[in-house]
Amino acid sequence: GQQVMQIPQYQHVQEGEDFTTYCNSSTTLSNIQWYKQRPGGHPVFLIQLVKSGEVKKQKRLTFQFGEAKKNSSLHITATQTGDSAIYLCAAVTQGGSEKLVFGKGTKLTVNP
Amino acid sequence: EAGVAQSPRYKIIEKRQSVAFWCNPISGHATLYWYQQILGQGPKLLIQFQNNGVVDDSQLPKDRFSAERLKGVDSTLKIQPAKLEDSAVYLCASSFGRNQPQHFGDGTRLSIL
Repeated sequence: GQQVMQIPQYQHVQEGEDFTTYCNSSTTLSNIQWYKQRPGGHPVFLIQLVKSGEVKKQKRLTFQFGEAKKNSSLHITATQTGDSAIYLCAAVTQGGSEKLVFGKGTKLTVNP
Repeated sequence: EAGVAQSPRYKIIEKRQSVAFWCNPISGHATLYWYQQILGQGPKLLIQFQNNGVVDDSQLPKDRFSAERLKGVDSTLKIQPAKLEDSAVYLCASSFGRNQPQHFGDGTRLSIL
């Protein structure tokens, strides 16, 4: 079945460092969504990307959808301790079942 | 806007017992999802409703899990009988339409002894 792979699985950074997580698929995606899940919390929607090559920014967060619509990235500039969370991507493939499938997430720990 | 409401927040039962979870989605959201999230993994879709109809239940273990959304609003998810591997957080989410951004409830943390 459809899978989305997220890398890395874990990342530890010092406060102030940058962070990037990637979401990859072997099939073309119609859209991709990013969510943030704090420890003990529930996923919270961050952004949706639909167009090839699309780039969206939210303050220190930059989201990008690949030109081939098979991958996406989330980049955080100058991380803060409040950025510590699991970052999940969820994607819908073009054609086929059009199910929204979640990746396993990247757990980010920002050390003070 | 009120969020997605779920209850209970926590549940501890013994294996082979039954348990039920309740979810009330955001008003006006036609699509309702139940997910199972095991520690360290992303949410796994169990069942998706569009109004009161099932859109996808391909990953629902139908021999023990059941779900309904009779009036197209709130929903219940039941496990009977529970197994040790069912220990997880059960998340309910809703969205305005299919594959649109989802709003999640706080989840029910289920522990099977």
